[in-house]
Amino acid sequence: ETGVTQSPTHLIKTRGQQVTLRCSSQSGHNTVSWYQQALGQGPQFIFQYYREEENGRGNFPPRFSGLQFPNYSSELNVNALELDDSALYLCASRSGLAVYNEQFFGPGTRLTVL
Amino acid sequence: DQQVKQNSPSLSVQEGRISILNCDYTNSMFDYFLWYKKYPAEGPTFLISISSIKDKNEDGRFTVFLNKSAKHLSLHIVPSQPGDSAVYFCAASQPGNTPLVFGKGTRLSVIA
Repeated sequence: ETGVTQSPTHLIKTRGQQVTLRCSSQSGHNTVSWYQQALGQGPQFIFQYYREEENGRGNFPPRFSGLQFPNYSSELNVNALELDDSALYLCASRSGLAVYNEQFFGPGTRLTVL
Repeated sequence: DQQVKQNSPSLSVQEGRISILNCDYTNSMFDYFLWYKKYPAEGPTFLISISSIKDKNEDGRFTVFLNKSAKHLSLHIVPSQPGDSAVYFCAASQPGNTPLVFGKGTRLSVIA
């Protein structure tokens, strides 16, 4: 059983560009959440997908969007990149929506915006 | 407005001694609390949790204490081991399908 994987590991973009980050959830997990972790901060919730539908969103602008596919893998898209978007982006998967179900995190994608 | 606060950015403890990591929260609607551990280049991993109906939960060397009146929780690690050196995040959630709210983390260094 493989854990949560994310790609790419690192990414460098320039301001105004667009980026797509990918996440493969753990086998059997139908819920994927995305978090942004800025330097020196804790993970901040971006949004969550459950069975291919967005199911909760944090305080992030619409240029942050996502998708979940039938195999429950997920993408995070960020348009019109800003310098403050530089951060570690984490995805996490779990089975169902209950917070009591353990959430497993991937290693993250380090995005640098120049 | 930080709802979950970890006021100590770092903590250094001798191997074999107790490590105490603290977390305060402001939202009285939080009813479930978790601790995660994060090593460099890895995602956070779940350590231990506690529901608001309890005031203590123990798992091996790790114990979490919850003081609802003070809106404070703490993680005790006894005895501390060098492999415990990591960043520890406190997180909380409200009832229902609500997202986790994380603190900024505390970097624990266990010195041999």
